Amino acid sequence: KNEVEQSPQNLTAQEGEFITINCSYSVGISALHWLQQHPGGGIVSLFMLSSGKKKHGRLIATINIQEKHSSLHITASHPRDSAVYICAVLIQGAQKLVFGQGTRLTINP
Amino acid sequence: NAGVMQNPRHLVRRRGQEARLRCSPMKGHSHVYWYRQLPEEGLKFMVYLQKENIIDESGMPKERFSAEFPKEGPSILRIQQVVRGDSAAYFCASSPLGVSYNEQFFGPGTRLTVL
Repeated sequence: KNEVEQSPQNLTAQEGEFITINCSYSVGISALHWLQQHPGGGIVSLFMLSSGKKKHGRLIATINIQEKHSSLHITASHPRDSAVYICAVLIQGAQKLVFGQGTRLTINP
Repeated sequence: NAGVMQNPRHLVRRRGQEARLRCSPMKGHSHVYWYRQLPEEGLKFMVYLQKENIIDESGMPKERFSAEFPKEGPSILRIQQVVRGDSAAYFCASSPLGVSYNEQFFGPGTRLTVL
């Protein structure tokens, strides 16, 4: 079993829909990252969280440390949001990230 | 402030050749991380370096792979005697302080193809 599990693996939605991507982890962590990988392959860091909630534009990330769970929400989704979204955790006491398998999001016009 | 630079963006090698991948971190960043993304797989940590020091290389294959981050110049990931299974995208990321404290900024990646 992977230390970081994401769901769903694939998600297709219509433009304007509210999107939720989930990430569960099984280890103690210092922080959790959400990353976005575009079809061309480039990776962008969206959020780094250790507690609570962060918002940036139409993106919202939440984390529940007790439940070992994080969610990434996209409001008013747009075709340009189509990408792979990756959850990564920094394991306590370590200096490296462990990645989920990613969620492939497709937003249709 | 330029972002993380990686070159080459695409690299083709024949089996048995050497591959050298370069990463120039963002200005002011002294921490560099290398990750590998095999086809249809997730990202995997390879190595974490600070200037002139390897901090954690627990994700590096035991043979043929090495990494350095000299006092001057880019970080280098070197793969000797490449095999087809080395074909992957190799990403570098940098941060100003250790990963515990800062977000990482990713480079565009180097896509290695071994023929």
